[in-house]
Parts: sequence; structure tokens; C-alpha cells
Amino acid sequence: AQSVTQPDIHITVSEGASLELRCNYSYGATPYLFWYVQSPGQGLQLLLKYFSGDTLVQGIKGFEAEFKRSQSSFNLRKPSVHWSDAAEYFCAVVRNTGTASKLTFGTGTRLQVTL
Amino acid sequence: ETGVTQSPTHLIKTRGQQVTLRCSSQSGHNTVSWYQQALGQGPQFIFQYYREEENGRGNFPPRFSGLQFPNYSSELNVNALELDDSALYLCASSSWTAKETQYFGPGTRLLVL
Repeated sequence: AQSVTQPDIHITVSEGASLELRCNYSYGATPYLFWYVQSPGQGLQLLLKYFSGDTLVQGIKGFEAEFKRSQSSFNLRKPSVHWSDAAEYFCAVVRNTGTASKLTFGTGTRLQVTL
Repeated sequence: ETGVTQSPTHLIKTRGQQVTLRCSSQSGHNTVSWYQQALGQGPQFIFQYYREEENGRGNFPPRFSGLQFPNYSSELNVNALELDDSALYLCASSSWTAKETQYFGPGTRLLVL
């Protein structure tokens, strides 16, 4: 069965420090991978996606992610974190079941930013 | 460009009641998906609608049902509410030709007492 694992439940970084959030997936074929961010009480905002091609993808708000097939990983990075980046981050993989596209999410990583 | 909107923002119901949640898709999108997000969890896929028909469903019982209208807006109906139905319900829209990329609304927070 397809799944997504986010090993870190909670991460704390200082403002200005670099950030890496981990994501591992289990999927038989070439995956479509996504990172979403959710601020408290809000919906999900799409940060970036990977379908194919260049394994380093750029997203909004200065985020990037690297797809590593050999490690089944799609880690999210940001060189310098801002206090406004504090939120919950979700990694997801799409599974096409019949004609539907279903997103399967990890359990999320809560990012806290200290000043 | 108008994003995905959902109503109401919050709702309180009692066990056994029925509820209807509404979603307007982003302009240019014709596919709507619904997800349930329990507290502290990632969203779980409920179902997806295209051309006013359900074309995919997750592991949710039949008391979860939906509709899609000609203007691509959608409703999620839940009958015989249970306490475990308390969650954030998220609607996501996409175009059929790029349905993997889904854009989410702000959600409806449902509390069942």
C-alpha cells in the first residue's frame, strides 16, 4: 500500500537558520509528490510539487525540495527560516485510483520558529 | 482569480443529526475532492467529483455523500453524525486534465457533541 512517512512530529529552529523537513514515501511507480503548508486554523497551501524531470524543485516562499529515488525521499528545505514560516507542513503523494486522483498525506511536521 | 471557498467556517451539531457543507471551486476548475482532517492528523480522502458524478472514494461509509453542480460547486453531506466525525473538512479543486494538483479551501470545522 502506498504511504507517506514524516519522521519528525515537531521541529524547532531559530529564525535565520536553515531548515530541512523529511519525507519518505512508499509507492510502486514513479510518484507525484507534493508539499503543503497549513497555518493554524487554515486550509492547505501548495508549496511545490514534483512529477518528473529535474529532481530539485523550487516552490513558493523560498522553499525547495529534492526527490531522491534511491532513498524514497522528498525532503523540503529552506536556507533561512522566517518567523512567519511557523506552521504545519504536510508531504503528500498522489495515487490515481481508476479515474480519481487521491492525495495521501503524511501525519505532518509542526515547525516552531524561535526569535 | 477566485480561490476555493467553503461554508460555513464552523458548525456544531449533535450526534445523529445531518450536516451539509458547501464548496465553490477555483475559477477554471471542474473537479472537486473532499478530505477529512482529524485533529493532529493529515487529511484523509473522502471522494472526488467530476461532471457531477463521484469518480473515486476513500474508506468512508455511505453516510458520507456528495453532490457536484453544473457550476462545479459541491456539497458534502454526512448523515447520522457520530462523535468521531468531528474534524476539519477540506475541499480541494483542480482541473480534470491536471487533477493531481489540488488547491484547498480554508475548510469547515465540524464539532459533533
